[in-house]
Amino acid sequence: EDQVTQSPEALRLQEGESSSLNCSYTVSGLRGLFWYRQDPGKGPEFLFTLYSAGEEKEKERLKATLTKKESFLHITAPKPEDSATYLCAVRAEYGNKLVFGAGTILRVKS
Amino acid sequence: ETGVTQTPRHLVMGMTNKKSLKCEQHLGHNAMYWYKQSAKKPLELMFVYSLEERVENNSVPSRFSPECPNSSHLFLHLHTLQPEDSALYLCASSQENPRTRSGANVLTFGAGSRLTVL
Repeated sequence: EDQVTQSPEALRLQEGESSSLNCSYTVSGLRGLFWYRQDPGKGPEFLFTLYSAGEEKEKERLKATLTKKESFLHITAPKPEDSATYLCAVRAEYGNKLVFGAGTILRVKS
Repeated sequence: ETGVTQTPRHLVMGMTNKKSLKCEQHLGHNAMYWYKQSAKKPLELMFVYSLEERVENNSVPSRFSPECPNSSHLFLHLHTLQPEDSALYLCASSQENPRTRSGANVLTFGAGSRLTVL
């Protein structure tokens, strides 16, 4: 069964304190791994798609990387506005649904 | 209006009530989804409609009844719900390849409907 586990469950950082969020997955053939950001009272917002091990993508202070077993979302010098829940999801080679992790709640204090 | 719009944003209902959640997408997508989001749990896929045909029903109780009258609109009809059904219900849309039925994979979500069942 396809499964996604995110850690830590919650993370508190000081402004400027870089860190990483982890997404471990088991899937029968990976078609894609997705990162979303969700602000309170809003739906998830798409950040990145990664398709194969070794691939990296960047957007402002965020950088996503992918291996055959996990993905990391690196946050460099975070700001308070980066505070949100970050969701990871995978799509298997066969089928048309995303399997989500429970998310990591990030709080960045100034 | 742009993106995916969900109404109502908040709904409180008794266990014997009948209500509906509405979703409308303005993106020209051809697939729509209902997800349930409970605290500290992964998003649970409930239903998928592709090209207005239901293609996925993840063992959802019959007290939830979806309806997709066209590619832009999606409803979730609710009746005789239980308190454990209280959650955030998210609608999403995506563009799917009609030939291969493989999605573009990027979902655009609405803001959700917060449901409380008393």
